[in-house]
Amino acid sequence: GIQVEQSPPDLILQEGANSTLRCNFSDSVNNLQWFHQNPWGQLINLFYIPSGTKQNGRLSATTVATERYSLLYISSSQTTDSGVYFCAVPIIQGAQKLVFGQGTRLTINP
Amino acid sequence: DAEITQSPRHKITETGRQVTLACHQTWNHNNMFWYRQDLGHGLRLIHYSYGVQDTNKGEVSDGYSVSRSNTEDLPLTLESAASSQTSVYFCASSTGLAGAQYFGPGTRLTVT
Repeated sequence: GIQVEQSPPDLILQEGANSTLRCNFSDSVNNLQWFHQNPWGQLINLFYIPSGTKQNGRLSATTVATERYSLLYISSSQTTDSGVYFCAVPIIQGAQKLVFGQGTRLTINP
Repeated sequence: DAEITQSPRHKITETGRQVTLACHQTWNHNNMFWYRQDLGHGLRLIHYSYGVQDTNKGEVSDGYSVSRSNTEDLPLTLESAASSQTSVYFCASSTGLAGAQYFGPGTRLTVT
C-alpha cells in the first residue's frame, strides 16, 4: 500500500520563526490533506490540496503531485501553532479512506 | 453551524463489556469514518461508511462493528471490550468522491 513519510519528526522553534514541514508519499494521489492536532487532542483540517499552492493566513501548503511530496509552511510562528501536524493521502487513488503519516511534532517556545 | 460531535468524551469500562461510542454529524456528509489513535501507531482506520446501510472494514476492524441507519449517525460498538482497545477514538466525515475530512473531538476509552 501507499507509504506516507513526514519530516522532521520533531521541531522546536522560538516564537516568530518560520518552519517548513515535509510530506513524501510513495504513489500517485488525487488528494492530500494536512491536519493540525492541538495539545488538547483536537484534529483540525488545515488544507485539502491535491496540487498547487494554497494559503490561509500565516499557513500555506504546496503539493507537487508529479514529484510526490507536499510542504506545509508556517510563518511567524506563535505558541498556539504547537502540536502535531499530519498529512494524509487516499489509500488508493480515488478512495475516501486515508493513510496518515506519523506526524511532525512542532513546539513553539515563547 | 454544522459540526460533528462524539459522546461520551471519556469512558472507563471493564474487560468483556459491550461499549457503544456515538458519532453525530450535521454536515449532511455521505461519508463517515472511525479511527483510533495510539502512540507509535498514529491514526488507523477501523470502519467506514459511504452512505445509509453501507459499512466497510478498515485496517483494524477486529472486535468492532458499526451500523448506518441514517445520514447523521455512525455508532461504533465494541462487542466485548479488551484492554488492547484502550485508545482515543475519532469519528470523521466527508463529502463527495475525495472531499476534505472533518474530525470530531474524540473519545478517550479506557478498558480495565
